[in-house]
Amino acid sequence: QVQLVQSGAEVKKPGASVKVSCKTSGYTFATYAISWVRQAPGQGLDWMGWISGYNGDTNYAQNLQGRVTMTIDTSTSTAYLELTSLRSDDTAVYYCARDVPGLDYWGQGTLVTVSS
Amino acid sequence: DIQMTQSPSSLSASVGDRVTITCQASQDISSYLNWYQQKPGKAPKLLIYDASNLESGVPSRFSGSGSGTDFTFTISSLQPEDIATYYCQQYDNFPRTFGGGTKVEIK
Repeated sequence: QVQLVQSGAEVKKPGASVKVSCKTSGYTFATYAISWVRQAPGQGLDWMGWISGYNGDTNYAQNLQGRVTMTIDTSTSTAYLELTSLRSDDTAVYYCARDVPGLDYWGQGTLVTVSS
Repeated sequence: DIQMTQSPSSLSASVGDRVTITCQASQDISSYLNWYQQKPGKAPKLLIYDASNLESGVPSRFSGSGSGTDFTFTISSLQPEDIATYYCQQYDNFPRTFGGGTKVEIK
């Protein structure tokens, strides 16, 4: 069965960086893209970007340009999200999801807390 | 960027009621629209893709319709387990924007 398993919760100080992993299984990784979506406490869903599982092509949300990097490791069927220069308003649950392009399978979410 | 305007932001209905949520795109997105359900503390779940197609395993009381800029999501007979927040999302263009969400509660 299709599974996306994300890395554990992180606590970071303002200005630091965080890297979240999303290990997939149960399907051919190169066939589909991965989207990353975040949700601040009590808020709605915020699309962060998309990465092709085939060739690593990316498309990022404009408001994150310059701070976000999405990568893949096809040898382990894993996608990564790195966010730099963290601010308090980056505190959120970060989700990866298989993009078919409906987001049909989701990771369990990774809570990233940014606090001094 | 395409803006997705979802309404209402919240609603309260009785078990068995018909519930309707609308989503309006700021430009024509054809049928490139998905609907998701999110329960507290859980990841969202895809219910409807391509505006009107029911995802496998999703109960038939959920449905979607529309094309272009105006879309509707319907629960034909609200059940207690449908208490959740519902989101639309367009995928016609990047960024793949979400609507603001509709919180559905039981009256």
